[in-house]
Amino acid sequence: DIQMTQSPSSLSASVGDRVTITCRASQSISSYLNWYQQKPGKAPKLLIYSASSLQSGVPSRFSGSGSGTDFSLTIGSLQPEDFATYYCQQTYNTPRTFGPGTKVDFK
Amino acid sequence: QVHLVQSGAEVKKPGASVKVSCKVYGSTLSESSMQWVRQAPGKGLEWMGGFDPEEGETIYAQKFQGRVTMTEDTATDTAYMELSSLRFEDTAVYYCATEWLGIVGATQSYYFDPWGQGTLVTVSS
Repeated sequence: DIQMTQSPSSLSASVGDRVTITCRASQSISSYLNWYQQKPGKAPKLLIYSASSLQSGVPSRFSGSGSGTDFSLTIGSLQPEDFATYYCQQTYNTPRTFGPGTKVDFK
Repeated sequence: QVHLVQSGAEVKKPGASVKVSCKVYGSTLSESSMQWVRQAPGKGLEWMGGFDPEEGETIYAQKFQGRVTMTEDTATDTAYMELSSLRFEDTAVYYCATEWLGIVGATQSYYFDPWGQGTLVTVSS
């Protein structure tokens, strides 16, 4: 199985901050990497697919990059509604595996 | 726009089975590759299984092999996930999600979108 790791596991930030979360796969997954945002009590929401493609309707302050084993999600200017937990996911093969999540909270 | 609606919360005793449904609106089940993901309280996301379009069959995570069955009723566009021999540690929110292939230039990825609202399954004696 492909193992996904994320760092940091949590971070505290302020509105307007630039935030970067990294995700690493245990083997090369090409561009088969997605990012999801989850708020408490809600289902995950797709933000980025194929490592860097912004899902329709997602604000442009979200961006993704990377390929192979190392990826990152950047929030250009953190907004109040962005405080949530973020998960990466690989879909290169089965089982589809998720990273452990990064919780972004208010400083 | 595709929309998934799941069945309501369940409380089950250890050893029992639970069957969660997921109805597709705005598309048909035959056009979807349905996936199931669970999330224990305060924990991360765990893929349980789903239809693999490359294999043309439903694939289950090894952890759940023998205990989980995923089925589909195309007449009602409803997918089902049944988990048997429930244990206390199966207490979780269970989500369905449709998987799609996104191709952008030279890159591609399967992704899960949308997700159902989640179904809380509580295993309690």
